[in-house]
Amino acid sequence: AQSVAQPEDQVNVAEGNPLTVKCTYSVSGNPYLFWYVQYPNRGLQFLLKYITGDNLVKGSYGFEAEFNKSQTSFHLKKPSALVSDSALYFCAVGNMRFGAGTRLTVKP
Amino acid sequence: NAGVTQTPKFQVLKTGQSMTLQCAQDMNHNSMYWYRQDPGMGLRLIYYSASEGTTDKGEVPNGYNVSRLNKREFSLRLESAAPSQTSVYFCASTGVSGNTIYFGEGSWLTVV
Repeated sequence: AQSVAQPEDQVNVAEGNPLTVKCTYSVSGNPYLFWYVQYPNRGLQFLLKYITGDNLVKGSYGFEAEFNKSQTSFHLKKPSALVSDSALYFCAVGNMRFGAGTRLTVKP
Repeated sequence: NAGVTQTPKFQVLKTGQSMTLQCAQDMNHNSMYWYRQDPGMGLRLIYYSASEGTTDKGEVPNGYNVSRLNKREFSLRLESAAPSQTSVYFCASTGVSGNTIYFGEGSWLTVV
């Protein structure tokens, strides 16, 4: 069975600092991995995905994610956080199973 | 561009009542999904339909039924609502495997 885990319920960072939101996966074979963002009272929006190829994937709003096969991880990163990045972030694996979500709060 | 449209946006039900959540997509996607979102639980897959004419159970199917009416529409029915079904429900769709999944705006359901 395919699954993902997001080990942190909450991540707090100061504006301008780099941010990381963690995701680990359990998949047999080659995984399709996704990151989505959810703003209050809205549906989820696509950020980026890894299918194959370069381990560093660039996505919307300056986000990127690094696929690490040996660590079975797909962490979301951004070099400089904005207050407007505050939202709920979900990692997902190709059979459309989602992690529990990580709430990112960026403080001014 | 409508994308994925789900109705109603808000609904309050009494325990034991029935209702159907409607979902339609205009992107010619083959696969459609119903999720529920609860605090601390993330998104849990209720049912999905890989293609027109097929439906399969997800992680939490008990208490729900679905119908894939045609390629565009995928409805979720609560036959006898229970307070444990109070949640936010999201419909979603995607094309071929590996493609982005598109979500509706959510339906807030309260069962009292």
